[in-house]
Amino acid sequence: GENVEQHPSTLSVQEGDSAVIKCTYSDSASNYFPWYKQELGKGPQLIIDIRSNVGEKKDQRIAVTLNKTAKHFSLHITETQPEDSAVYFCAAPIFSGGYNKLIFGAGTRLAVHP
Amino acid sequence: NAGVMQNPRHLVRRRGQEARLRCSPMKGHSHVYWYRQLPEEGLKFMVYLQKENIIDESGMPKERFSAEFPKEGPSILRIQQVVRGDSAAYFCASSPYPTREYGYTFGSGTRLTVV
Repeated sequence: GENVEQHPSTLSVQEGDSAVIKCTYSDSASNYFPWYKQELGKGPQLIIDIRSNVGEKKDQRIAVTLNKTAKHFSLHITETQPEDSAVYFCAAPIFSGGYNKLIFGAGTRLAVHP
Repeated sequence: NAGVMQNPRHLVRRRGQEARLRCSPMKGHSHVYWYRQLPEEGLKFMVYLQKENIIDESGMPKERFSAEFPKEGPSILRIQQVVRGDSAAYFCASSPYPTREYGYTFGSGTRLTVV
């Protein structure tokens, strides 16, 4: 069925270290993969996305990689800072009936310790 | 552009009452999605609407829940006869196109507490 799996569920790192979050998806026709950051008490905010015509995209300390063959994509955060602490969600579109809807992973709670 | 506006931010209802959650999409966005987030859990799709049409309500409970997006005014998620299990954060998102290659912009959510 329609599914997006995300690992790990929690991640604890020291400030300055890197953090990697991985997701797999089931719909081989999906071609757009966004990542959202949710801070406590707030709504999810889009931080980076990637389309299937590229394998990697970077934006300062954040990067996303995509392997369409294996149907997985990853978020990489380098030089982590305490303000990176949040819950991160990956998502993939499921196409049905002429439209798409985003299906989200279960989330990764990232804690960056000073 | 004010973004996706949801109100109220917090809503407390007693069991059996009705809850009405409102969402105004971003300017120029005609596609609205509602998601529910239970405490310590992920975002679960509930319903997708366009103006005056429900496109996909496959994630919405069959009873007590309804949604609309009228020609004028915000989208409304309505929960009748609320129960404690309805306590959650409800997020609305909007997008300009229903295609595969656009993400959603989320509102700040409505946190419903049923007492």
